[in-house]
Amino acid sequence: DTGVSQDPRHKITKRGQNVTFRCDPISEHNRLYWYRQTLGQGPEFLTYFQNEAQLEKSRLLSDRFSAERPKGSFSTLEIQRTEQGDSAMYLCASSPDLEPRWVTQYFGPGTRLTVL
Amino acid sequence: DQQVKQNSPSLSVQEGRISILNCDYTNSMFDYFLWYKKYPAEGPTFLISISSIKDKNEDGRFTVFLNKSAKHLSLHIVPSQPGDSAVYFCAASEGSGGGADGLTFGKGTHLIIQP
Repeated sequence: DTGVSQDPRHKITKRGQNVTFRCDPISEHNRLYWYRQTLGQGPEFLTYFQNEAQLEKSRLLSDRFSAERPKGSFSTLEIQRTEQGDSAMYLCASSPDLEPRWVTQYFGPGTRLTVL
Repeated sequence: DQQVKQNSPSLSVQEGRISILNCDYTNSMFDYFLWYKKYPAEGPTFLISISSIKDKNEDGRFTVFLNKSAKHLSLHIVPSQPGDSAVYFCAASEGSGGGADGLTFGKGTHLIIQP
């Protein structure tokens, strides 16, 4: 039984560089979420996919952020022109499509981004 | 504005005793609540949930209580074990929205189980 996986686990980059993270959800889960967590805070919702369609985006997702889920399986989150304020843990979660089980989201281990 | 509040940043409990973690919410549209446990350098792990149509849900050592009129929920862990030491997050969902807007989390409570 494989859970949600994320790659890389850690990323250190210089300000102004672009970074891309990958998330592989649990195989039968149609719903995929991205969150960001900073020190001392709970995870904050960024965006949501149902299959390949991106259906919701938080106001936290600035124009420098883009997410894709091209075939409804894995997803990527790209941050362009990184800023020091982007330093955070980026978490991916997935859930099945069957009500009410879709409410329960299962999280991956996260990608820790440090922008120097 | 914090819609989900966990007012205790940390809680220390002796091994074998009961741990009670509290959570308050302000959004009356929330109708599903979840508790997650998080170890350092790992993602949150789902523990237990409760629908707004219930006032109690139990799973082994974990029980969640919901008081809708007070907009308050609590997680009870009995008996507390050393492996329970972690950060616990309360989360809520507007289920009627189809889940598209994700979960809203509190800031977490760091539970420390002392031997």
